[in-house]
Amino acid sequence: AQSVTQLGSHVSVSEGALVLLRCNYSSSVPPYLFWYVQYPNQGLQLLLKYTSAATLVKGINGFEAEFKKSETSFHLTKPSAHMSDAAEYFCAVSRSGGYNKLIFGAGTRLAVHP
Amino acid sequence: GAGVSQSPSNKVTEKGKDVELRCDPISGHTALYWYRQRLGQGLEFLIYFQGNSAPDKSGLPSDRFSAERTGESVSTLTIQRTQQEDSAVYLCASSFGRGRQGDTQYFGPGTRLTVL
Repeated sequence: AQSVTQLGSHVSVSEGALVLLRCNYSSSVPPYLFWYVQYPNQGLQLLLKYTSAATLVKGINGFEAEFKKSETSFHLTKPSAHMSDAAEYFCAVSRSGGYNKLIFGAGTRLAVHP
Repeated sequence: GAGVSQSPSNKVTEKGKDVELRCDPISGHTALYWYRQRLGQGLEFLIYFQGNSAPDKSGLPSDRFSAERTGESVSTLTIQRTQQEDSAVYLCASSFGRGRQGDTQYFGPGTRLTVL
């Protein structure tokens, strides 16, 4: 069975600092991995996804994530945080075989302070 | 073009009442998903539609929950005899194609359901 663990339900950074949101997955087959962002009172928006092409994936708003099979990780990073990055971030893995049912982590709420 | 829309945006109901939540997917998207997001938690899969059929209903929590889709478009999630533990945000997503792994799912803004 597949699962996703996001370490840290809350992360706080200063504006301009590095953002690092951690995601570890469990999958018996090569996974498809996703990061979504949820702004207050809005639906989820795709930041980026890994579909077995390049291991370093670049997404929107300056975010990127690196797939590391040996560590079963897919951490999300951004070199310099902006106030507008404050939101909740979800890591998800696609169910193996068949269709694209997503299994989500519990989410990490990112706070950015001046 | 228009994104995924859901209605109502908020629903407050009394325990024991039935509720219907609506999802309008992006035009042309044949795959449609319902998820539930409880407070402080990630999303839980409820049901998947391919066209008008639902090959996977495994996430529906109980027989009080049902869903249908008509015209390969709008979908309705119905919760009968609501309980307080049904309080959550219900999110709908759609994707193009046959819901293959890796396909991007586009999410609606959700319906916040509160059961008193």
